[in-house]
Amino acid sequence: QQPVQSPQAVILREGEDAVINCSSSKALYSVHWYRQKHGEAPVFLMILLKGGEQKGHEKISASFNEKKQQSSLYLTASQLSYSGTYFCGTDVNRDDKIIFGKGTRLHILP
Amino acid sequence: DTAVSQTPKYLVTQMGNDKSIKCEQNLGHDTMYWYKQDSKKFLKIMFSYNNKELIINETVPNRFSPKSPDKAHLNLHINSLELGDSAVYFCASSQTNEQFFGPGTRLTVL
Repeated sequence: QQPVQSPQAVILREGEDAVINCSSSKALYSVHWYRQKHGEAPVFLMILLKGGEQKGHEKISASFNEKKQQSSLYLTASQLSYSGTYFCGTDVNRDDKIIFGKGTRLHILP
Repeated sequence: DTAVSQTPKYLVTQMGNDKSIKCEQNLGHDTMYWYKQDSKKFLKIMFSYNNKELIINETVPNRFSPKSPDKAHLNLHINSLELGDSAVYFCASSQTNEQFFGPGTRLTVL
C-alpha cells in the first residue's frame, strides 16, 4: 500500500520553513526519506525505525509517530540547494521492500 | 570511483526489441534492487536480490528478467519491449538501511 504524501508541491522563499507529511494505512516498521534533484538519482536523507523517534540531518529533521502511522520531514531555514522532490518510503514487513509515496516537489526561490 | 554504476545511460529502441541494462556496485553490499520511475516520477520497486538470490519480485511482467552473476552485479533484461516500458530505471544497493542509487538509465521505446 503506497504511503500518501502531502503536500504535492511547495514553493518557498529561501530561509522559510517547510513540513512534508507521509501517512500510511498500515503499521510501519520503518520510514525512509529521500531527495531527488531533477535529472539525478534519489539520495538517502534518513531512516526512522522507532515510534516517536526524531532524527536530524543538517537543518533537515524528521519525526515518526508509530501510533498514527505517520512521519513528517521538517526543513528549516530552507536553502536553494533543498529544491527537489522528496520521497517518503515505508517498510511494512521489515523485508527491505520500500514502497515510495508519489513525492513532494519543493521549489526554493531566492 | 562511482559507488553504483549503470550502463547505458540512455537507451532508445523500437517496440518489440530486446535490451539489457547493466548495474555494478563497488560498495561490497549484499542487496541490490531495480526500480522503475515513470514519467510522473512514481518510483516503484521491481526486484531485489540478496547475495545473488531473488528476494523481491513485484508483479513485474515476465518480459523483465533480472540476473545476478555475482553480488556486485545485477543486470536487467527486457524482452519484447512495449511503449509502456519507457521510463528511467534505477539500480540501487544497500547493506543496512540506506539505499545507494545508480545514476539511472533512461529507456525510450519508439
